[in-house]
Amino acid sequence: DIVMTQSPDSLAVSLGERATLNCKSSQSVLYASNNKNYLAWYQQKPGQPPKLLIYWASTRESGVPDRFSGGGSGTDFTLTISSLQAEDAAVYYCQQYYSSPITFGQGTRLEIK
Amino acid sequence: QVQLVESGGGVVQPGRSLRLSCAASGFTFNNYGIHWVRQAPGKGLEWVAMVSYDGDNKYYADSVKGRFTISRDNSKNTLYLQMNNLRPEDTAVYYCAKDPTVTTSFWYFDLWGRGTLVTVSS
Repeated sequence: DIVMTQSPDSLAVSLGERATLNCKSSQSVLYASNNKNYLAWYQQKPGQPPKLLIYWASTRESGVPDRFSGGGSGTDFTLTISSLQAEDAAVYYCQQYYSSPITFGQGTRLEIK
Repeated sequence: QVQLVESGGGVVQPGRSLRLSCAASGFTFNNYGIHWVRQAPGKGLEWVAMVSYDGDNKYYADSVKGRFTISRDNSKNTLYLQMNNLRPEDTAVYYCAKDPTVTTSFWYFDLWGRGTLVTVSS
């Protein structure tokens, strides 16, 4: 199984500042034949289901604010929130869908400082 | 509107069975693969099972293989999860979640239900 490791476990950032969340996979999730990274990011707020933010490592889901961006390739990925808003406080998960079983990172809790 | 609604959760004793349902609306259900993903209280996300758009292909996590069965009834726009021989470690909120693309499954999820809580306890 591919192990997904997120860092840090928790993060406190001031409103308007940049937040950078990291995700590392135990093996590459870059599929050579189509040059796509099989990596997604989700946001989960308390009492709610996860919400898809980013897929293919850097493609923003429809309706997601453009302050959210995804980057990276191979085994190392980042989710960046360019200017933190109060409503961005949540737990963020990365997920690989390169191979079965699909696996998630343990999550990063993002708090407002 | 486009939604998934789970039901069937509850409290059950170890070794007993439970069947979860997930009712879909607002999209063409039989075009998409659908998954079950669970989340133990205060913990992260764990993929459980997947059924292809036509019901022909099913996949399971090792932790539930041989105990859980995923199925779907496209005439009723409904997904099921039959859970047998339940264990305390199966205690979790169970979400159904939809593939994003028609017929071809990429196994990330663009639509989630709100979940149903299963508690396995004596």
